[in-house]
Amino acid sequence: DQQVKQNSPSLSVQEGRISILNCDYTNSMFDYFLWYKKYPAEGPTFLISISSIKDKNEDGRFTVFLNKSAKHLSLHIVPSQPGDSAVYFCAASVGNNDMRFGAGTRLTVKP
Amino acid sequence: DGGITQSPKYLFRKEGQNVTLSCEQNLNHDAMYWYRQDPGQGLRLIYYSQIVNDFQKGDIAEGYSVSREKKESFPLTVTSAQKNPTAFYLCASRAGAGYYGYTFGSGTRLTVV
Repeated sequence: DQQVKQNSPSLSVQEGRISILNCDYTNSMFDYFLWYKKYPAEGPTFLISISSIKDKNEDGRFTVFLNKSAKHLSLHIVPSQPGDSAVYFCAASVGNNDMRFGAGTRLTVKP
Repeated sequence: DGGITQSPKYLFRKEGQNVTLSCEQNLNHDAMYWYRQDPGQGLRLIYYSQIVNDFQKGDIAEGYSVSREKKESFPLTVTSAQKNPTAFYLCASRAGAGYYGYTFGSGTRLTVV
């Protein structure tokens, strides 16, 4: 049972434009959400997080939006840069219990 | 520098053999995790340990075993009972209660030949 879903396996955008990565979840008990970035043959690195008491969190070019009623979150990257090209994983947890990950979205930012 | 070290980076195993993947952290983190990554399936939890000498099965524990004799170390053994062991294995740790984010190692790619 995949509790965290990333339905777009890949996304391609032009440098300087906005990248929007989407994530849906089914477990209404999830109260903490994170985005991780992963390069090939490396472990994921933490990017940004949001707790369920917020609907937006911003860190530089990265903003995460949470819509609890729709069980949906998204990651916005503005402006996109070629170095942002990587696989992005959405993750969710109930408190600080073990985390559930989506399948990932491969972002390609073209110069 | 503090971090998680996974070794080896690449590992080849013959069918029917057991193999152990190493995971060591010097972050003084309480909890440690093993995930498996397959194409199109994201990261799936194999085993996790919240404290020394205690560990719990994750979603896909069959064919795997772990130990947690030291806080710093959480090795994963892929046994011959694991039917499809070829995958990318990731070890992670977390500081403990109140901390949400994981720190990941760089992974071990296991290939059965």
